[in-house]
Amino acid sequence: QTVVTQEPSFSVSPGGTVTLTCGLSSGSVSISNLPSWYQQTPGQAPRTLIYNTNIRSSGVPDRFSGSILGNKAALTITGAQADDESDYHCVLYMGSGLWVFGGGTKLTVL
Amino acid sequence: QLQLQESGPGLVKPSETLSLTCTVSGGSISSSSHYWDWIRQPPGKGLEWIGTIYYSGSTYYNPSLKSRVTISVDTSKNQFSLKLSSVTAADMAVYYCARHTQDSGNFNWGQGTLVPVSS
Repeated sequence: QTVVTQEPSFSVSPGGTVTLTCGLSSGSVSISNLPSWYQQTPGQAPRTLIYNTNIRSSGVPDRFSGSILGNKAALTITGAQADDESDYHCVLYMGSGLWVFGGGTKLTVL
Repeated sequence: QLQLQESGPGLVKPSETLSLTCTVSGGSISSSSHYWDWIRQPPGKGLEWIGTIYYSGSTYYNPSLKSRVTISVDTSKNQFSLKLSSVTAADMAVYYCARHTQDSGNFNWGQGTLVPVSS
C-alpha cells in the first residue's frame, strides 16, 4: 500500500519562508505523479493552490510555488501571512487512475 | 462557473449503505476532458480519495475501499453518485464530490456534506 508522507505540523514567522514536502513511503516523487497542493481552513472545502508540480491555480498569490526538491514534491510559501495559517494537503497520481492523498500539514503562522 | 453540490441522507446506520449524489451545474458531466471524483475526510483527519468516474462509465476505485464502493453516472441528469456498503463508524466523514481534468491534479471541489454513522 502506497503511503504519501507530509509533515504533520510546521510553523513559520510572519514574513518568513516555509517549505512543506510531499513524499512517498517507497520511491521518489516525479512530475509524472502530478503532485498537487490544496489549502483548507476549518469548516471549508479544500482550495487548489498548485497542480501538476508547479502550476498556480487561478487567483493564487505568487508567494505560493511548487517544485520537486530531491525525491519529494515541495510547496514553498514566501513571505508568509497570517491568513496562510491552514491545513495543506498534497495528492499524488499513482497511475491507472489512482490518486493518493497525504495526511496533511497543519501550518501555524506565529 | 462550475458548481458541484452533494446531497443525500443526513444519517446512515452501521451495516447499511451510504448513498450520495453530486449534481453538476455550470458544466457538462459528458465532457470528454473531465473526470468526476468522490473524496472524503473523517473529522480531524486528512483527505482520502474514494474513486473516479468518466462520463462513459469507466471507474477507478481506491483499492482499500473497492469491495464496498460503487460510483455511477447519470448523464441525463448531469449527476454522479456514490454508494458505500456495510458502513461502520470509520466511514463517518465529510464527503466531497470533485472534478479534475485529464492528466491534472487540479480538482474543483464541492462544498462537502457530513455523513454521520450512528444507530
